[in-house]
Amino acid sequence: EVQLVESGGGLVQPGGSLRLSCSASGFTFSSYTMHWVRQAPGKGLEYVSGITTNGGSTYYADSVKGRFTISRDNPKNTLYLQMTSLTPEDTAVYYCVINPSHWGQGTLVTVSS
Amino acid sequence: EIVLTQSPGTLSLSPGERATLSCRASQSVSSNYLAWYQQKPGQAPRLLIYGASTRATGIPDRFSGSGSGTDFTLTISRLEPEDFAVYYCQQYSRSPWAFGQGTKVEIK
Repeated sequence: EVQLVESGGGLVQPGGSLRLSCSASGFTFSSYTMHWVRQAPGKGLEYVSGITTNGGSTYYADSVKGRFTISRDNPKNTLYLQMTSLTPEDTAVYYCVINPSHWGQGTLVTVSS
Repeated sequence: EIVLTQSPGTLSLSPGERATLSCRASQSVSSNYLAWYQQKPGQAPRLLIYGASTRATGIPDRFSGSGSGTDFTLTISRLEPEDFAVYYCQQYSRSPWAFGQGTKVEIK
């Protein structure tokens, strides 16, 4: 069974940093491009970032480019999202996603003073 | 990057009526890698349709997807009370993925 478990969310002050992790199991992690998707309170779904199987290519939404860094550790079956210079607009539930059929449960990031 | 535009923004209908939701892409979506989700308040998105027209596991057959290229449609043949929600389309043919802004189906 595919499982994606996000962690690392929490309350952070504006300008702060946070690193999200996504622990994957039940599939061959190293064979899949992985993605982060977020949803701010009362807003729609927003694609945040993606990374190819070996990390050779990464993708970012314009809203996070230059502030967020996606990475992966294939031997550890773990996906990361390093977030810096956080603003209140980054407040959202962050989901780790393989494909439309497989999403994690999400982790809440709240940026507030 | 592909941009998805959903219409209408809000659909006001009564139970038993037919709902037709549109999703238009700024470029062709390869291999029809187009998905539809349903989301209710406080819940995670629920996959309804993938591959433009394939129902996900456990999805009732009143939900159907159609279309290709740049124009896609989600149809709910007869609205049940539990179908009133927000619906999103998503292209996953190439990274970065894209989501539509959502269509809210509300009770008239």
